[in-house]
Amino acid sequence: RKEVEQDPGPFNVPEGATVAFNCTYSNSASQSFFWYRQDCRKEPKLLMSVYSSGNEDGRFTAQLNRASQYISLLIRDSKLSDSATYLCAVALTGGNKLVFGAGTILRVKS
Amino acid sequence: GAVVSQHPSWVICKSGTSVKIECRSLDFQATTMFWYRQFPKQSLMLMATSNEGSKATYEQGVEKDKFLINHASLTLSTLTVTSAHPEDSSFYICSAPTRSSGNTIYFGEGSWLTVV
Repeated sequence: RKEVEQDPGPFNVPEGATVAFNCTYSNSASQSFFWYRQDCRKEPKLLMSVYSSGNEDGRFTAQLNRASQYISLLIRDSKLSDSATYLCAVALTGGNKLVFGAGTILRVKS
Repeated sequence: GAVVSQHPSWVICKSGTSVKIECRSLDFQATTMFWYRQFPKQSLMLMATSNEGSKATYEQGVEKDKFLINHASLTLSTLTVTSAHPEDSSFYICSAPTRSSGNTIYFGEGSWLTVV
């Protein structure tokens, strides 16, 4: 079983749609959780950290469920520019050594 | 601007040669850096942890004699792919945590290696 698993997609959605991604992790000792965005042939860029209480940044909302060991990302009012691969990442104590999921491809179409 | 810089961005080399990729932290010191590899349509796989002033820690299955890592200063880590083969062609990317900004992890721009 992979340490971090994601649905690879692709998710094809129209502009304005709401889309949600899930990610599961196997190591219950994981302490830090993140969502990254990666554009084609580029480095991943941090989208947001994920906190136990859930957190929101504009159109993006992240949730963490420690009991079920999954994190989620909700994107509201999708824009064309949201098209990218979304990677979830987890880390053990210290939070520097990240383990990534394979990524979920999002394609927003007009 | 970038806080972690990688060089080169693109490199093409012949089979059997060695290629060095540099990862520099700009404006901050990094005692630890991480090297990842990403094959097309796959996730970033951690190869090794680069430790300033000591030996790198390699992940299981990564050949330390093939992927030489040197972290000679607090701002520079290098990855050398030795005796490169076509199957080593990949996207190599480094990351470094900074103690400021809430221990944010920054990634370099990545290096595309093509071995012909």
